[in-house]
Amino acid sequence: ETGVTQTPRHLVMGMTNKKSLKCEQHLGHNAMYWYKQSAKKPLELMFVYNFKEQTENNSVPSRFSPECPNSSHLFLHLHTLQPEDSALYLCASSLYPPGQGDNEQFFGPGTRLTVL
Amino acid sequence: DAKTTQPNSMESNEEEPVHLPCNHSTISGTDYIHWYRQLPSQGPEYVIHGLTSNVNNRMASLAIAEDRKSSTLILHRATLRDAAVYYCIPDTSGTYKYIFGTGTRLKVLA
Repeated sequence: ETGVTQTPRHLVMGMTNKKSLKCEQHLGHNAMYWYKQSAKKPLELMFVYNFKEQTENNSVPSRFSPECPNSSHLFLHLHTLQPEDSALYLCASSLYPPGQGDNEQFFGPGTRLTVL
Repeated sequence: DAKTTQPNSMESNEEEPVHLPCNHSTISGTDYIHWYRQLPSQGPEYVIHGLTSNVNNRMASLAIAEDRKSSTLILHRATLRDAAVYYCIPDTSGTYKYIFGTGTRLKVLA
């Protein structure tokens, strides 16, 4: 248990569906992240939020829409996804973002997404 | 962004020490070096990090070369639970991101 929870743990959706992934951290952290991990590929950073403000968008397609209403919650809204978007989506948090302090990221267990 | 080079895979016998190398020759002087590992079916977890001096914690030791172009993660006594993918990640000054490479897949043999 890392203090970062993600729901749902598994999600199957069609290409026309709209769904949302939720991440919550109980660590008092100020930075939150979405990563994507496809089969046999390195983790790819998608978005970074620092104090609720988006500070990094790693050229992610607009069918992925993040939302950070407060420092404890992070959402990833999904709309008209493609089968190649099937992957493990990981949320993480840290007290400070990378480059602003010697701190560690705590990862949630991930949401395994399958797009049919 | 600093680039890293790690062996794709390594094997170790249980109860023996393991030395996992990482080359990060383009790291800048103020970038921390972080190590994470990812156990099967789990998200990555923090292992250790350092800047210039060698570091020890309950999980591992980190030996950083004097020129900081390489580092070595040391597991003093490998257990079966240490089987994971180990990632070496230089912090990137002025950005907010980690860049995960392909890491080293460690197999621990009983």
